[in-house]
Amino acid sequence: DIQMTQSPSTLSASVGDRVTITCRASQSISSWLAWYQQKPGKAPKLLIYKASSLESGVPSRFSGSGSGTEFTLTISSLQPDDFATYYCQQYNSYFTFGPGTKVDIK
Amino acid sequence: QVQLVQSGAEVKKPGASVKVSCKASGYTFTSYGISWVRQAPGQGLEWMGWISAYNGNTDYAQKVQGRVTMTTDTSTSTAYMELRSLRSDDTAVYYCARYLGGGYCSGSTCYDAFDIWGQGTMVTVSS
Repeated sequence: DIQMTQSPSTLSASVGDRVTITCRASQSISSWLAWYQQKPGKAPKLLIYKASSLESGVPSRFSGSGSGTEFTLTISSLQPDDFATYYCQQYNSYFTFGPGTKVDIK
Repeated sequence: QVQLVQSGAEVKKPGASVKVSCKASGYTFTSYGISWVRQAPGQGLEWMGWISAYNGNTDYAQKVQGRVTMTTDTSTSTAYMELRSLRSDDTAVYYCARYLGGGYCSGSTCYDAFDIWGQGTMVTVSS
C-alpha cells in the first residue's frame, strides 16, 4: 500500500502570506496526485488534480507541483476564505489520502 | 447543476447494516465512476471503494472487503453503499464522490480525482 505524509500538520499564517504544504508518497505515484480543501462540516473540495492542473473555478492563487514522490501545494497570497484543512490524495494505486494540514490564523 | 445528494443521517446498533444512497443529477450518470469515502469524527479521509456507473464493476478497500457492497440504479441515477456487521469504529460521515474524468483504468479498477462530492451522511453506531 502507498502511504502519504504531509508537512506541516498545522500551519499558522496571516492573510497575504505565501503558504506551502508538502506531501510525500512512500513510492512513486507519477503525477497521480490531487489536493483538496475541507472546511468544518463540509465535504472536501477539489483544488488540484494530476499534481499541477487547476480545477475549474478554483482561484489562481492555488498551484501544485511535483512528481514521483514529492509534491507541493502553494497558496500565493492567503485569503480569509483559505483557512481550512488541506489533504493530498494519491490515485496511482488505489486511493490514499494524506493526514491533512490545518491552516489557521496566526 | 451537477450535484450528488445523499440520504439522511442514520443511527444503528452494532451488528446491524446501513445502506446510504447518493442521487446524481446534472450529468450523464453512466459516464462517471463513483467512489465512497468516509471520515471518522475528527479524523482524516479513508477511501472505501469504487463502482463504475457504466458497467457496475467494483473494487473495495481491504479494510471493508467482505462487509461492503456498492451498487447503482441507472434508472434513477443513484448509487448505493451498504455496510454490514457495523462496529463502533464505523461511526463516520460517509461521502460519495464523482470521478473527474481523465484518469486511467488498470484491470477492473479506474483511478481519478474526485470533483463532485455529496454532502455527507453521518452514520452513528452505538448500543
